[in-house]
Amino acid sequence: DGGITQSPKYLFRKEGQNVTLSCEQNLNHDAMYWYRQDPGQGLRLIYYSQIVNDFQKGDIAEGYSVSREKKESFPLTVTSAQKNPTAFYLCASSIRGELNEKLFFGSGTQLSVL
Amino acid sequence: DQQVKQNSPSLSVQEGRISILNCDYTNSMFDYFLWYKKYPAEGPTFLISISSIKDKNEDGRFTVFLNKSAKHLSLHIVPSQPGDSAVYFCAASVRRDDKIIFGKGTRLHILP
Repeated sequence: DGGITQSPKYLFRKEGQNVTLSCEQNLNHDAMYWYRQDPGQGLRLIYYSQIVNDFQKGDIAEGYSVSREKKESFPLTVTSAQKNPTAFYLCASSIRGELNEKLFFGSGTQLSVL
Repeated sequence: DQQVKQNSPSLSVQEGRISILNCDYTNSMFDYFLWYKKYPAEGPTFLISISSIKDKNEDGRFTVFLNKSAKHLSLHIVPSQPGDSAVYFCAASVRRDDKIIFGKGTRLHILP
């Protein structure tokens, strides 16, 4: 059953703590993306990766880091430098060069600050 | 600087009537436009798209219209059904850049 799996579904962060959100896909997609959703703000692009071992900053990359060591995995770390991390985080993937309707999303991770 | 704008945060429509969701964009380089539908606590799902070489695309109850000169697109849902209640995101891309820019979304309520 192919798809994108995000874990955990809910995550709590203490002040000054780094946390990592997991995103795994078994769709054999080349490109992967991280978006952040805030109430009334739509989806904003944090980072994206078009190929293994390469990634680019999106519109709001400050305070976040990513890695793409494997095609199937694109973890997102929310660092202590991200001062307003509470949001709903969405991972997505697509076949490279066929971005548009082929963009598949995971079910999201809700991150909250304690 | 918002490149994709959905100026109506919410919209209420009677069941069976037409729902019209609007979207404006500022980047003239956009050549592909999409609508995604999202339920609470779930990821968005693709609904319908349109290339800049067309001005209309239809898929069942859903039709997207593109007015390039006005940099405006709209999604029509006819007839509206209770399951259409969701947040709808307008999105746009420059295909060669391989990334999608989303609007803030419009929450659609279908009233019984």
